[in-house]
Amino acid sequence: EPEVTQTPSHQVTQMGQEVILRCVPISNHLYFYWYRQILGQKVEFLVSFYNNEISEKSEIFDDQFSVERPDGSNFTLKIRSTKLEDSAMYFCASSGLAGVYTGELFFGEGSRLTVL
Amino acid sequence: AQKITQTQPGMFVQEKEAVTLDCTYDTSDQSYGLFWYKQPSSGEMIFLIYQGSYDEQNATEGRYSLNFQKARKSANLVISASQLGDSAMYFCAMIPNSGYSTLTFGKGTMLLVSP
Repeated sequence: EPEVTQTPSHQVTQMGQEVILRCVPISNHLYFYWYRQILGQKVEFLVSFYNNEISEKSEIFDDQFSVERPDGSNFTLKIRSTKLEDSAMYFCASSGLAGVYTGELFFGEGSRLTVL
Repeated sequence: AQKITQTQPGMFVQEKEAVTLDCTYDTSDQSYGLFWYKQPSSGEMIFLIYQGSYDEQNATEGRYSLNFQKARKSANLVISASQLGDSAMYFCAMIPNSGYSTLTFGKGTMLLVSP
């Protein structure tokens, strides 16, 4: 069964460093998302991406964050200068056209970011 | 803006029994989608079930059913015949019918299934 894959599974970084989280969505999906979950808290939407541009973003997704689809398969989230409060599990998700309306997003297993 | 409320931080159930996880929502949208995700200890998010606001019948997927009461704005998840592998965090979530799946999640309910 096709799945969303994320790398790395866990990254530890120093405050102020740049981090890139990578995702390979399901190959025929068109919509891509990043969510994050701070430990013990609910999952929060960061950004959605369609047709090579951001379609929607939350207040969390400030100028320190950027997303890119550098080639036909990868979807990346970059945090330019990490802060302690960026420590969280970051989930990539993708959906096909039907999933946009049904909410059937396929999530990756997450990348845990720890900022020291 | 949408809001999801899950009032049960944790639930215990014995194996083979049924359990109901509560979810209420608030939205001004006329059309929306409601669903549940499961997050086991390994961390991944697993889609369980979807209910559209205009669906007249409650959604069912195997042992999962969604008890949708539109007037009460509730979308409770019912798990029948609980299994040990059902132990996990369960998140209720919703989307507006805006064309992009920007999910709003509740805080989750931890379900523990005992033998």
